[in-house]
Amino acid sequence: NAGVTQTPKFRILKIGQSMTLQCTQDMNHNYMYWYRQDPGMGLKLIYYSVGAGITDKGEVPNGYNVSRSTTEDFPLRLELAAPSQTSVYFCASFRLQGNTEAFFGQGTRLTVV
Amino acid sequence: ILNVEQSPQSLHVQEGDSTNFTCSFPSSNFYALHWYRWETAKSPEALFVMTLNGDEKKKGRISATLNTKEGYSYLYIKGSQPEDSATYLCALAPRDNNDMRFGAGTRLTVKP
Repeated sequence: NAGVTQTPKFRILKIGQSMTLQCTQDMNHNYMYWYRQDPGMGLKLIYYSVGAGITDKGEVPNGYNVSRSTTEDFPLRLELAAPSQTSVYFCASFRLQGNTEAFFGQGTRLTVV
Repeated sequence: ILNVEQSPQSLHVQEGDSTNFTCSFPSSNFYALHWYRWETAKSPEALFVMTLNGDEKKKGRISATLNTKEGYSYLYIKGSQPEDSATYLCALAPRDNNDMRFGAGTRLTVKP
C-alpha cells in the first residue's frame, strides 16, 4: 500500500517558470489537500478537494491552481513561479472528514530563484 | 476565518520530565480535532483524532484530552524521551466546511 505519493521531492525553479507538483493516493480517499510549510508558520492550506471534479480555495491560494479529474490524483500547478513560493509543499488525503486521520506525502522542497 | 492556536511555540525539557501543550480553537462549528507528530525532514503522522467533548485518548506515554465547549485540547507526554523531540501539530476539522486548518505547532526538544 503506497499511501500518498508526491513528486518531485526537490525542485529549483527560475522566476516566471511553471511546474506541476504531483500527488497520488491509492486509498480511495475522497478528501485531498495541499499545504505549504513556511519556517515557524506550521502548515498553511492552499487548496483542497472533497471529490473528483470539486476543488476549493484554502488560506493561501494565490499563485496556484489545482484540478481533480480522478479520485486518486490532485496535482498542484504553479504558473508563474515567484520567490515567495519557495517552501515545502505537502499533499494529504482523508477517507472521510474529521473522524479519520490524514495521511501525508513525503513533501516537495521547492526553491524559486 | 478559522484560527487554531498552539502554545507554547517551543519547549525544551530534560529527559524524564513530563510536559503538556495546548491547542485552542473556536468552540462553535466543531467537528473533529487532530493531533500529529512531525519529525524534521519527515511527513506529519497522526497521533489522535477526537470528536466528542470529554474525549481522552492515549498512545503509550502520550495522551490527549478534548474540551469542545471551551475550545481547547491538551497533549501530554509522560516521562519525555529524546526520541519524542518533534513538532506537535493540532488541526481542526470544522462542521460546515471541508477545509482542515493547522496550528503553527509546538516544537519539543528533549535533552538527554
